Amino acid sequence: EPEVTQTPSHQVTQMGQEVILRCVPISNHLYFYWYRQILGQKVEFLVSFYNNEISEKSEIFDDQFSVERPDGSNFTLKIRSTKLEDSAMYFCASTSNYGYTFGSGTRLTVV
Amino acid sequence: AQSVTQLDSQVPVFEEAPVELRCNYSSSVSVYLFWYVQYPNQGLQLLLKYLSGSTLVKGINGFEAEFNKSQTSFHLRKPSVHISDTAEYFCAVSGPNFGNEKLTFGTGTRLTIIP
Repeated sequence: EPEVTQTPSHQVTQMGQEVILRCVPISNHLYFYWYRQILGQKVEFLVSFYNNEISEKSEIFDDQFSVERPDGSNFTLKIRSTKLEDSAMYFCASTSNYGYTFGSGTRLTVV
Repeated sequence: AQSVTQLDSQVPVFEEAPVELRCNYSSSVSVYLFWYVQYPNQGLQLLLKYLSGSTLVKGINGFEAEFNKSQTSFHLRKPSVHISDTAEYFCAVSGPNFGNEKLTFGTGTRLTIIP
């Protein structure tokens, strides 16, 4: 069964550093998403991406965040200057007419 | 916009007993409904989904849920739980453009199975 692949599985970074979280969506899916889950809390929508542009973003997705699809396979989330409160599990997802497929997540720890 | 309320943050249940995890939603448009399970330190796994048709939906691992439009609910049930069902369960809703709309999640219910 096709999978959404996320790398790395864990990332530790110092406050103020830039991080890039990577995702490989399912190849024939058209919509791509990033969600965030702070430890012990609910899963929150960050951004959706379609046709090489952002289709919707939440209030969380401020100027520190950006997304990109640099080639035909990867989908990245960049946090320019990480803050302690960015520590969370970040999930990538892609969708087809049959529904969502989530990746296994990247646990980001900002120290 | 949609919202989801999961009324119980934690539910302890004895092994082999039945369980119901409650979910209510709010939306001004038609919705699609989902239950996801998250095992410790893992990602989100789809248990089941309601798109249309029969209001009783069967999913993996013996779970089922019933869509009740009048009560705006989508409660998850299992007749007999197992230790391996210990996990966090999230109810989620999307709008009518299935496949190209975000999911809105509830706050989750932690199911703990007592041996």
